[in-house]
Amino acid sequence: AQSVAQPEDQVNVAEGNPLTVKCTYSVSGNPYLFWYVQYPNRGLQFLLKYITGDNLVKGSYGFEAEFNKSQTSFHLKKPSALVSDSALYFCAVRDGGTYKYIFGTGTRLKVLA
Amino acid sequence: EPEVTQTPSHQVTQMGQEVILRCVPISNHLYFYWYRQILGQKVEFLVSFYNNEISEKSEIFDDQFSVERPDGSNFTLKIRSTKLEDSAMYFCASQPLGDDYTFGSGTRLTVV
Repeated sequence: AQSVAQPEDQVNVAEGNPLTVKCTYSVSGNPYLFWYVQYPNRGLQFLLKYITGDNLVKGSYGFEAEFNKSQTSFHLKKPSALVSDSALYFCAVRDGGTYKYIFGTGTRLKVLA
Repeated sequence: EPEVTQTPSHQVTQMGQEVILRCVPISNHLYFYWYRQILGQKVEFLVSFYNNEISEKSEIFDDQFSVERPDGSNFTLKIRSTKLEDSAMYFCASQPLGDDYTFGSGTRLTVV
């Protein structure tokens, strides 16, 4: 069965510092991996995805994610955090057969001024 | 950019009442989904819908839930007799053939 794990409930980082939000996955077959962000009382906004190709994927708002097949990880990164990046971040894997998304439990990112 | 529209944004209902959550998917999309997020928790799959029928449903999607696409544009989720534990954010999503989802902004359902 497909699954994703986000081991950190919350990540705190100072503004201007690099940030990493961790995600590991378990899939049978090729992974289709996604990151979404949710601001308070808002919907899910797509950040980036990995389907195939380069292991470093660039997305919206300066975010990027690194696909690591040997470590089965897809960590979200940003070189310099902004206070406005504070939000709830979800990693997801798509079931290749049904297109159903399986989401991680979410990581709350808090960027401190 | 095309959007998936969900109405209402927030609905409060009495326990035991029926509620219908509405979604207008993107017009040329073929696959439709409902997901649920209990406050601050993970987003969970409820149901997928294609070609006017349910293609997959989760354990959460019991007999109290139903979906339909009554007029070729709207996609609705009905909860027949709401329970307190149905309080959640409900997200609709639509998908064209061979591409990714677009999520709506969600409906917050509060059952009192």
